[in-house]
Order: sequence, then structure tokens, then C-alpha cells
Amino acid sequence: EAQVTQNPRYLITVTGKKLTVTCSQNMNHEYMSWYRQDPGLGLRQIYYSMNVEVTDKGDVPEGYKVSRKEKRNFPLILESPSPNQTSLYFCASTPLGGDGYEQYFGPGTRLTVT
Amino acid sequence: AQSVTQLDSQVPVFEEAPVELRCNYSSSVSVYLFWYVQYPNQGLQLLLKYLSGSTLVESINGFEAEFNKSQTSFHLRKPSVHISDTAEYFCAVRTTGFQKLVFGTGTRLLVSP
Repeated sequence: EAQVTQNPRYLITVTGKKLTVTCSQNMNHEYMSWYRQDPGLGLRQIYYSMNVEVTDKGDVPEGYKVSRKEKRNFPLILESPSPNQTSLYFCASTPLGGDGYEQYFGPGTRLTVT
Repeated sequence: AQSVTQLDSQVPVFEEAPVELRCNYSSSVSVYLFWYVQYPNQGLQLLLKYLSGSTLVESINGFEAEFNKSQTSFHLRKPSVHISDTAEYFCAVRTTGFQKLVFGTGTRLLVSP
């Protein structure tokens, strides 16, 4: 089954404790992206990657890091989480090379930073 | 830069009534338009999309949206809603040739009996 998976689905942590949210897709997509969803703000892009070892900032990158060492994986790293990073996070992927492809979303990771 | 406006944050409606969720976008170049739906405690699913051709696009569960270039709108409609349509709906725009999606702030559709 074609899918995007994220782990963990729920995470409660404390300020300053480094964490990683994993994202994996099995569709051989080149483009992967991280979004955060906040009430009243919709989804905003954090980082994206066009392919292995090619990443770039989205609209709200502060406080986040990413890496793309393998095509299927795109982890999101919070090196020193703060309460304002409490949010619902989504990973998404889509193929390059053609217009009109939809983005496939993972199930989301709900993060609470206390 | 692109932007998407969903003016209604919440739309309450009775079952079997019609509904329209509004979406306006701003862009100086050609775009693709999407509606995504998020059911409670789930991820986003594509509902329908406009790429080119006919300005009226339909989903398999009875929703439709019409692309209006002159009004820069892509409103979502359903003639008769069900309880199961209760969800949050996001309008999104993408510039042709690029993969980045820009989302609106979402509209929560609440269907009551």
C-alpha cells in the first residue's frame, strides 16, 4: 500500500530535550515536505526536500532541522524544543517531473512541549 | 507570492442542506487548485483538484468546485450534506512548475441532524 508514515503519532516532551520525528514514504517520491498545523493558521511549510541531500527552508523554519540521506526518509529534528513548537506536524511527499500530482500526507504527529 | 483566503472558519449546517465553502486565492501566474479534507484525528486527504480544462471538478462523494479565474475563486459546494461530511476543509494553491502547496486557514464544516 502506497503511504507516508510518521512516528511517533503523539509526543509530550519538555523544553530543551532534543527530539526527532521520522517520516518515510514508499512511493519513490523525490519531493518531501514538513508542515505544521495550528488553529486559525492552516498548514505552513517548515522545510522541504527536492531529492537526496537537497533541502531548503519553507515559511517557518526557525527551530527546526531536517536531513535527507535516503530518498524514502525525511526526519524532522527539534534540537531544543520550546512551547511555541507545540503543534500538529504533517509530512508529505509527491513526485517531481510532472504537474498536477497531489501531495500525499502522513497521519500527523501531535507534539506537546511543556 | 501566493496566498489563499478561506473567510469562513466554521460553517454549521443541517443534514441534507446544501453548503458552500468559500476559497479565494491570489497569484500572478498560473496555478493549480486543490481541496483537501481532514476528518477528526486523521491526516489530509485530497478531495478534488483543478489542473486545466473544465472549470467544474467533482469528487466521488458528491462535492464539486468551480474554478473562476476572473474572481480568483475555487468555492466548494455540495447540494446535500451528510453527518459524515463533518470535517475540516482546506483550500490550497500551487504554482505550475513548482511543488510547494500554500494552504488557506481551513473551514470547519459541522453537520448536525
